[in-house]
Amino acid sequence: AQSVTQLDSHVSVSEGTPVLLRCNYSSSYSPSLFWYVQHPNKGLQLLLKYTSAATLVKGINGFEAEFKKSETSFHLTKPSAHMSDAAEYFCVVISAGGYGQNFVFGPGTRLSVLP
Amino acid sequence: DAMVIQNPRYQVTQFGKPVTLSCSQTLNHNVMYWYQQKSSQAPKLLFHYYDKDFNNEADTPDNFQSRRPNTSFCFLDIRSPGLGDAAMYLCATSSGQGSNQPQHFGDGTRLSIL
Repeated sequence: AQSVTQLDSHVSVSEGTPVLLRCNYSSSYSPSLFWYVQHPNKGLQLLLKYTSAATLVKGINGFEAEFKKSETSFHLTKPSAHMSDAAEYFCVVISAGGYGQNFVFGPGTRLSVLP
Repeated sequence: DAMVIQNPRYQVTQFGKPVTLSCSQTLNHNVMYWYQQKSSQAPKLLFHYYDKDFNNEADTPDNFQSRRPNTSFCFLDIRSPGLGDAAMYLCATSSGQGSNQPQHFGDGTRLSIL
């Protein structure tokens, strides 16, 4: 069975400093992994996805993530935080062979950005 | 351009009074999903359609039903809402082509129960 752990429920950074949101996964197969962002009272927006191509994945709004199979990690980073980055972030794993019904969410990390 | 549209954005209903939430998509995706999301939690899958094939999650209460009259529209019916059903309801779609497709979410409907 697949599972996702997001190691921090809340991360707080100052504007202009780097962001690191951690995600570890467990999967029996070669996983596909996603990061989504959710702003208050909005739906989830896809930031980036890993689907067994390049291990360093670039996404929207300056975010990127690196897939490390040996560490079963898919941490999300951004060099410089912006106030608009304050939101909830979800790491998601989907097992190979499914078309989406096996979308397993992590519990989420709330990112606060301080002025 | 809005691709997954949920109406209304906010819905208030009374305890026990049936309510219907709607979702439409312009992506022509095969798969449509309904999620329930409570405060500070991850979304929880209620059910999904692959075309007209309905798939219910084992722990989805019988109080929740869904209809998909065509590719573009999907409805969530809550027959007798209880206070515990107050939540954000998210609709999502995916192409269903291949095993690694992301889901595309609407902005949700926030349901309040009086």
